[in-house]
Amino acid sequence: DTEVTQTPKHLVMGMTNKKSLKCEQHMGHRAMYWYKQKAKKPPELMFVYSYEKLSINESVPSRFSPECPNSSLLNLHLHALQPEDSALYLCASSQEAGGSREQFFGPGTRLTVL
Amino acid sequence: GNSVTQMEGPVTLSEEAFLTINCTYTATGYPSLFWYVQYPGEGLQLLLKATKADDKGSNKGFEATYRKETTSFHLEKGSVQVSDSAVYFCALSEVASGGGADGLTFGKGTHLIIQP
Repeated sequence: DTEVTQTPKHLVMGMTNKKSLKCEQHMGHRAMYWYKQKAKKPPELMFVYSYEKLSINESVPSRFSPECPNSSLLNLHLHALQPEDSALYLCASSQEAGGSREQFFGPGTRLTVL
Repeated sequence: GNSVTQMEGPVTLSEEAFLTINCTYTATGYPSLFWYVQYPGEGLQLLLKATKADDKGSNKGFEATYRKETTSFHLEKGSVQVSDSAVYFCALSEVASGGGADGLTFGKGTHLIIQP
């Protein structure tokens, strides 16, 4: 299984809502990532989890809260978002150490904040 | 810091034309290099990779060679098809300063349009 799955595919939320994005992989990868991608731009790294511990936080606002319940799952909790947070949110995974470190991406969650 | 520079496009070609998308990089160490492709409304798919100098990555008729002397990783295909229309991202990966995983550094992406 070389697939990264993400749910939901689309999400519309108001600025006062709380929602969560979910990501799952069953490739035995020990590193997982959240990226944000705006239209016509490359993905921007948000968070990196390594062996279920947060290792990189790219100065992301606290209204985004990541969680890694186990080695296969990664969540992104959303609260009090702004309209400018509307974007495609991509999850990825990779082997933690060694190898060529290619990252495998999920299909993304298209988020719209009203 | 690390950076990747690639032609942004859009690049418009006729079917069966030869494709080159230039990519150059700046890195402090010895990165791995990747090309990813993104079709409309989808996530990124790994197209090919190279992990050391002079490695050639290839997949689906696409090729790229890791050139350390020119810090380049240009993408080529001999005969493009309409189905190759997509956005192509050049990217690099290095081990983080603490020795663990790190995010990919992407170029800005090249929008490729193939006309019948």
